[in-house]
Amino acid sequence: AQSVTQPDIHITVSEGASLELRCNYSYGATPYLFWYVQSPGQGLQLLLKYFSGDTLVQGIKGFEAEFKRSQSSFNLRKPSVHWSDAAEYFCAVVNQGGKLIFGQGTELSVKP
Amino acid sequence: DGGITQSPKYLFRKEGQNVTLSCEQNLNHDAMYWYRQDPGQGLRLIYYSQIVNDFQKGDIAEGYSVSREKKESFPLTVTSAQKNPTAFYLCASSIKGADTEAFFGQGTRLTVV
Repeated sequence: AQSVTQPDIHITVSEGASLELRCNYSYGATPYLFWYVQSPGQGLQLLLKYFSGDTLVQGIKGFEAEFKRSQSSFNLRKPSVHWSDAAEYFCAVVNQGGKLIFGQGTELSVKP
Repeated sequence: DGGITQSPKYLFRKEGQNVTLSCEQNLNHDAMYWYRQDPGQGLRLIYYSQIVNDFQKGDIAEGYSVSREKKESFPLTVTSAQKNPTAFYLCASSIKGADTEAFFGQGTRLTVV
């Protein structure tokens, strides 16, 4: 069965520092991968998605992610974090049957 | 404006009562989903539907029921069989197909006392 793992429950970075959030997936075929962001008490907003083609994808708010099939990973990156990036981030995978599965989430705190 | 609407935002119920959470979308999406969110556990899939009059169980369907009589509506009933119903519930929809993003509602926080 497919699954998504986000190894880091909570990460704290300083404002202006770079960020990398890890995501590993388990899926037999080529996965459809997503990163979403959630502010407290709100729904989720899509940051970026990967279906095929270029393994480095650009998203909104200056985020990017790289698909590495050999490592079954889809890590999210940002070169310079802003205080407004503090939120919870979710990695997700969807299968051909349309089942959308999320990881446990990584909470990001930003130090001034 | 197109979107997905969950109501109410906050809901309180007594233990042993069934309660129905509303989810409506006007995006003309075929697929709809219900998730439960608990601290530290991410989003867990309860039920999903790819088309009207059809739905599938997710990973934690026990104690929940759904219906999909209309394309735009996918209500979730939390029954008295759900042992720990207090949680944040999120509804989502997407155009049918694996390669499309899901759009989320703002969630309903259910508290059972």
